[in-house]
Amino acid sequence: ETGVTQTPRHLVMGMTNKKSLKCEQHLGHNAMYWYKQSAKKPLELMFVYSLEERVENNSVPSRFSPECPNSSHLFLHLHTLQPEDSALYLCASSQGGGSYNSPLHFGNGTRLTVT
Amino acid sequence: AQSVTQPDIHITVSEGASLELRCNYSYGATPYLFWYVQSPGQGLQLLLKYFSGDTLVQGIKGFEAEFKRSQSSFNLRKPSVHWSDAAEYFCAVGANRGGGYNKLIFGAGTRLAVHP
Repeated sequence: ETGVTQTPRHLVMGMTNKKSLKCEQHLGHNAMYWYKQSAKKPLELMFVYSLEERVENNSVPSRFSPECPNSSHLFLHLHTLQPEDSALYLCASSQGGGSYNSPLHFGNGTRLTVT
Repeated sequence: AQSVTQPDIHITVSEGASLELRCNYSYGATPYLFWYVQSPGQGLQLLLKYFSGDTLVQGIKGFEAEFKRSQSSFNLRKPSVHWSDAAEYFCAVGANRGGGYNKLIFGAGTRLAVHP
C-alpha cells in the first residue's frame, strides 16, 4: 500500500463521545499535518509534526488532541466535540527535514459529523 | 500576512474549451506556489508547483501555470477541458522558510463544472 491512508472514511459521533482519527503514510516522509476543511471556508491548518515533534498548533481547541507516535502514524483524538466541528479532516505528509518546500501529499480524509 | 485569493468561486466551461483559473498571492519573498485538485469525496492531489526558474510550469493532466511576480499571480490553465476535470481547484503558497515542514496557506478554492 502506498500514499497516505486515513481511517475511518466516515464518522458520526455524539457530543459526549470520544473517538480517534488515524492517518498512516507509506512515503517515508518526516512531517505530518492535520487540516480541517469546512464548507465554504478555506482549508485550515490545525497541527504539524516534524520528526515526531509538534511544531504548529494553530489555536485549535483542546477538545482536539493530536498524537504522533512515529513518523508514519498520526492520530487526532476527539472528545466533547461541538456540531460546528463537523467537517472533512485531512491528513497530509511531506518530505520534511531540510525540504521545507516539499509538496504535501494528502489522504482522502475523514468526514466527521457531530450530532 | 501571507494569503491566497481565488477570485472565482465557481466556473462553468464547455468540454473542449480552454480554461484559466485565477490565483493571487501575498507573500514578502519569492513564493513557493502550488495548485491542487480535489474530486468529490477525495483528498487533494498536487497538479504542479513553482519554486524558481522558468515561470511557466507544467503539471499533470495537461495543466500548466504561469508565475507573474509583477501581478502576484499564479494562474492555472488548460487548453482543452475534459469532463473529468470537473472538481475543485486550490491554489496555495508555502508560508514558512525552514523548520523542516511546509506550511501551506490555501485559497478558498474554485469549483469547476464542465458542460458536455
